[in-house]
Amino acid sequence: AQRVTQPEKLLSVFKGAPVELKCNYSYSGSPELFWYVQYSRQRLQLLLRHISRESIKGFTADLNKGETSFHLKKPFAQEEDSAMYYCALQTGANNLFFGTGTRLTVIP
Amino acid sequence: EPEVTQTPSHQVTQMGQEVILRCVPISNHLYFYWYRQILGQKVEFLVSFYNNEISEKSEIFDDQFSVERPDGSNFTLKIRSTKLEDSAMYFCASSEGTVAETQYFGPGTRLLVL
Repeated sequence: AQRVTQPEKLLSVFKGAPVELKCNYSYSGSPELFWYVQYSRQRLQLLLRHISRESIKGFTADLNKGETSFHLKKPFAQEEDSAMYYCALQTGANNLFFGTGTRLTVIP
Repeated sequence: EPEVTQTPSHQVTQMGQEVILRCVPISNHLYFYWYRQILGQKVEFLVSFYNNEISEKSEIFDDQFSVERPDGSNFTLKIRSTKLEDSAMYFCASSEGTVAETQYFGPGTRLLVL
């Protein structure tokens, strides 16, 4: 069965500090992984997906199949990065399987 | 930029009553989804819908739940006889395709069953 683990419910960093949001997955097939973000009073929106290999708002995430991880990183956190971040796994069908989320707070 | 819309934003109902949650997906999208998030818990997949039929459903999506695309724009989730544990935020989403495609989420409907 698939599983997505985000070990940190809460994460606080100072502005300008590096940030890493952890995500580990368990899935027997070939995973498609995403990071979704929810800013205060806004809807869930895609931040990035591993297949695109892109950097969005300074964030990157590398799929490590050996460690079954898809950690989200940003070298210098900004106050506007404060939000709820969800790692999600798309299984062979088209539904998303979400982790429990990490609330990131960037301290000015 | 087109967005998924949902109505109502909040709904309060009595246990045992039927509720219908409405969604308008992005117009050129072909795949539609419902998710729910119980307070303090993770977002959970309920059902996906394509070509006027259910593609996949989770264990949560039992006989109390149904989905419908009654016209060319709306996508509805019906809960026939609500239970207290159905209280949650319900999210609709849509996508152009499936594998590795971005799903675009609506703002959600907060359902409270008393």
